[in-house]
Amino acid sequence: EMQLVESGGDLVQPGGSLRLSCAASGFSFNTYAMSWVRQAPGKGLEWVSGLSHSGDTTHYADSVKGRFSISRDISNNTLFLQMNSLRVDDTAVYFCAKDALPSPALTGYFFDCWGQGTLVTVSS
Amino acid sequence: DIQMTQSPSTLSASAGDRVIITCRASQNINKWLAWYQQKPGKAPKLLIYMASSLETGVPSRFSGSGSGTEFTLTITSLQPDDFATYYCQQYNSLPYTFGQGTKLEIK
Repeated sequence: EMQLVESGGDLVQPGGSLRLSCAASGFSFNTYAMSWVRQAPGKGLEWVSGLSHSGDTTHYADSVKGRFSISRDISNNTLFLQMNSLRVDDTAVYFCAKDALPSPALTGYFFDCWGQGTLVTVSS
Repeated sequence: DIQMTQSPSTLSASAGDRVIITCRASQNINKWLAWYQQKPGKAPKLLIYMASSLETGVPSRFSGSGSGTEFTLTITSLQPDDFATYYCQQYNSLPYTFGQGTKLEIK
């Protein structure tokens, strides 16, 4: 069974940093692209960042470009999101999500497996 | 960026009803659209992809249609478990964007 488990969410001050982790199991981690999607309290879903199945291509939403960095550790089947220069409006539950199609896919990413989410609160 | 607009934002219905949720894209996204269901405190669940393909394990009362800029999610014979929030997502181009959500409430 496919499973994603996020960790690392915390309360952090504006301008601070945080590193989220997502442990994957039940599928071939280097066959699928992976993404981070966030949801501010009471709000909708926002795609934040994606990493290709090969790990050599990254994509970011404009709202986090230059501040967030996505990466992975293939040996431990773990996806990361390094978040720097955090702002109050980065407060959200952050979900790790697996692309539904094995790569190389001919389409963009949509997601058939999600973690339970980890809460990041940016506040002074 | 491609803007996704869902309507209505809230929908009240009763068990057994048929409901339709609409999603409009600000530009042509072909058939690269997915629908998700989300319950409070839970992760989204994939229902439909490529506008009309039913994800494995999803009940057949869920169906999707459309292409280009106009899409619909139809739920026939609503079950108590279907009351949730529904999101569309385009994956035609980066950045991938979601609709603002449609909350399906019990009337």
